[in-house]
Amino acid sequence: GAVVSQHPSRVICKSGTSVKIECRSLDFQATTMFWYRQFPKQSLMLMATSNEGSKATYEQGVEKDKFLINHASLTLSTLTVTSAHPEDSSFYICSARGPKETQYFGPGTRLLVL
Amino acid sequence: AQKVTQAQTEISVVEKEDVTLDCVYETRDTTYYLFWYKQPPSGELVFLIRRNSFDEQNEISGRYSWNFQKSTSSFNFTITASQVVDSAVYFCALLQGAQKLVFGQGTRLTINP
Repeated sequence: GAVVSQHPSRVICKSGTSVKIECRSLDFQATTMFWYRQFPKQSLMLMATSNEGSKATYEQGVEKDKFLINHASLTLSTLTVTSAHPEDSSFYICSARGPKETQYFGPGTRLLVL
Repeated sequence: AQKVTQAQTEISVVEKEDVTLDCVYETRDTTYYLFWYKQPPSGELVFLIRRNSFDEQNEISGRYSWNFQKSTSSFNFTITASQVVDSAVYFCALLQGAQKLVFGQGTRLTINP
């Protein structure tokens, strides 16, 4: 139980294009999902908290117009990296808050912007 | 401020050795949760254990065991008879308020055959 999927697992795009990443809770409903970014050999950095049916809450320093988050249902949150640039290349990982306040993580998406 | 410290950046041991990963946390909350996650090379974070602040019982799950001590604000993780498949980055995390996880910097564990 408590499985979270993330799609795509890997994406390569050209600079200036937008990329959408999906995060789904497969066997539970999640009113709250989270988006993290992880640089090589570093810990996870919380980007934003996604709440179903309302606006996401962004962490300080994260551009909301750059990283668009939509949480339209209890099992799906999406992160869109708009006008991607090489510095946006990173590992993006989502989580969904499940039973007993536990966050369950997706497998992550490796984004490479050329 | 809430903070999690994993002082061991990297640990390398030979297979079958026991290894303990340290985690020290800081919080002013009386109610909180602590977690351990495993991140293998594939990248996915795998949930290992959750402990709330009112439950100081140690826990054992197979080769894994956890020692939670509020007096020293520590939540250490021990792997006995380590195996190569245990090689991964391990993160300790503290649930801040009702929402955000605060992660430690992670400990990269390498088990050599």
